Amino acid sequence: KAGVTQTPRYLIKTRGQQVTLSCSPISGHRSVSWYQQTPGQGLQFLFEYFSETQRNKGNFPGRFSGRQFSNSRSEMNVSTLELGDSALYLCASSLKQAGSYEQYFGPGTRLTVT
Amino acid sequence: SQQGEEDPQALSIQEGENATMNCSYKTSINNLQWYRQNSGRGLVHLILIRSNEREKHSGRLRVTLDTSKKSSSLLITASRAADTASYFCATTDSWGKFQFGAGTQVVVTP
Repeated sequence: KAGVTQTPRYLIKTRGQQVTLSCSPISGHRSVSWYQQTPGQGLQFLFEYFSETQRNKGNFPGRFSGRQFSNSRSEMNVSTLELGDSALYLCASSLKQAGSYEQYFGPGTRLTVT
Repeated sequence: SQQGEEDPQALSIQEGENATMNCSYKTSINNLQWYRQNSGRGLVHLILIRSNEREKHSGRLRVTLDTSKKSSSLLITASRAADTASYFCATTDSWGKFQFGAGTQVVVTP
């Protein structure tokens, strides 16, 4: 099976712009989660989508939003970018097996805001 | 806030030595998982231990879980330079919500 793919891999944007990141989960996985990783804050949970519905949400401002499509692909949008949004954004898809969830991560999108 | 806290934050060892890192958490869990991340890349799943298990092995990895102390440890035996990476613990609740720790950075020198 193909792994989790994320596009683009690298992105440079300017403060005030908006950005959309894409994630394609492993085939058959219906849950997609997004994380922000920075050196100072570590891995921070953004949100999780399951069957096109947001199931869990982290503590991020409303500038961060996401959605999931019927094919389980997910997009994450950040509006009005700030310098502090520079980070590695990781997407993970998961499947419940034997009562437990395991997450499979994509390679990430490295966003730099200048 | 993060559920898990790893200790130590960083660890430097020589090839062939064992590496041990610990993870503590605060709330009830369904299971605990360990992940590895090579510099700037995605996380790779290493091992999962359920809340009713106490120890699990996978190759050179040994994981223990003590739910009474809300802690887990990851032992990498006979380390190799390729084990250089950051290691994260993650807890999940019964709803499948993940919470990651801050990670332990491991450097293995030849």
